Amino acid sequence: QSVLTQPPSVSGAPGQRVTISCTGSSSNIGAGYDVHWYRQIPGTAPKLLISHNNIRPSGVPDRFYGSKSDTSASLAITGLQAEDEADYFCQSYDTGLSGYVFGTGTKVTVL
Amino acid sequence: EVQLVESGGALVQPGGSLRLSCAVSGLMFSSYAIIWVRQAPGKGLEWVSGISGTGSDTDFADSVKGRFSISRDKSKTTVFLQMNSLRAEDTAVYYCAKAASGPMIIAPDSFDVWGQGTMVTVSS
Repeated sequence: QSVLTQPPSVSGAPGQRVTISCTGSSSNIGAGYDVHWYRQIPGTAPKLLISHNNIRPSGVPDRFYGSKSDTSASLAITGLQAEDEADYFCQSYDTGLSGYVFGTGTKVTVL
Repeated sequence: EVQLVESGGALVQPGGSLRLSCAVSGLMFSSYAIIWVRQAPGKGLEWVSGISGTGSDTDFADSVKGRFSISRDKSKTTVFLQMNSLRAEDTAVYYCAKAASGPMIIAPDSFDVWGQGTMVTVSS
């Protein structure tokens, strides 16, 4: 069972901004562990999108922005495009479980 | 180009065993930790296990502790996940992924290269 909670789905029209939340607790995000974000197109492997809260790997457009505060984190996608339709997962570390944890996942739909 | 290629997935009966392989190429094999992550059909991602670059440190999720083991063979540049006493709930696509930071299993790490996954089905 995931310890990081995300909304099951978010949607927006092309060009709009959407935000995905990732809510944790004092044993993971609140303990100061970094949050990373992955994008997964169904049937394919996850791909790193944002690392260490707000760092975009090479090739990731600046339409994707990550942030972290207290026990939660957020991924914002601006200028939504049809190609952004995918599942998005946050990831951190949990000191209570002594292991990496992933969020429940959010499906982004472009209307 | 860094590549990870999983193999070994199959249909296995409950209680059976299976060994997954993750062939690594395009990097200094001992320089990066490798993890296994699984995804049950229609579900989210679950971290399963990790191994340091030298193989001296390993870690497991509680759900597989005592049943799974992990190892790496430098000569074959391959990481193995040995799965014993398999249960229906182990049914999933298993991915291996490379730690972004280096050879240690460290809490803040992200995983920047993933394999394509291999399917494990546990059913009678």
